[in-house]
Amino acid sequence: AQRVTQPEKLLSVFKGAPVELKCNYSYSGSPELFWYVQYSRQRLQLLLRHISRESIKGFTADLNKGETSFHLKKPFAQEEDSAMYYCALSGHTGGFKTIFGAGTRLFVKA
Amino acid sequence: GAGVSQSPSNKVTEKGKDVELRCDPISGHTALYWYRQSLGQGLEFLIYFQGNSAPDKSGLPSDRFSAERTGGSVSTLTIQRTQQEDSAVYLCASSSRLAGGPGNIQYFGAGTRLSVL
Repeated sequence: AQRVTQPEKLLSVFKGAPVELKCNYSYSGSPELFWYVQYSRQRLQLLLRHISRESIKGFTADLNKGETSFHLKKPFAQEEDSAMYYCALSGHTGGFKTIFGAGTRLFVKA
Repeated sequence: GAGVSQSPSNKVTEKGKDVELRCDPISGHTALYWYRQSLGQGLEFLIYFQGNSAPDKSGLPSDRFSAERTGGSVSTLTIQRTQQEDSAVYLCASSSRLAGGPGNIQYFGAGTRLSVL
């Protein structure tokens, strides 16, 4: 079954500290992985996707097929990073339906 | 329009009344999703439309919930006999189906905040 697991419902770090939001997935085949972010009073929006291999707002995520993980990382957290983060996957096996994880709320403290 | 549009932005209703929520997806997007987001909670999948295929209704919480998508574009989510636990933000998203390219990214509307009194 296709599934996305975000084990942490809430993550709190101090400004300047490294942050890692965990995401594990279960999928038969080659999925496309995404991270979406929802800042306070803003729309849910794409942060990054694994095929782009880019860094957005200092965040990176590497797809580890062996561990079936797609953890989101940033070396130095900023207060403006405080938001709700969702990991998601999509692929041919599921008819391209996107599956979201439960989300992790990140608090970056001053 | 340039993005996904949802209306109304806020809806207050009395318990037992029916409500209709509307979603205008991005033009040309074949996939349309409805989600529910309760206060402080994550996304709850409700229903998925993809082109002319039968919709995936596996997330609808009860038979009071239904949705349709007319002409492959606008979608309406209907909640009959609303209950207080239906209070939430209802989000719509659309995407084009193409995997790997610029498609398959979901674009979300601002949501409809439903309050059932």
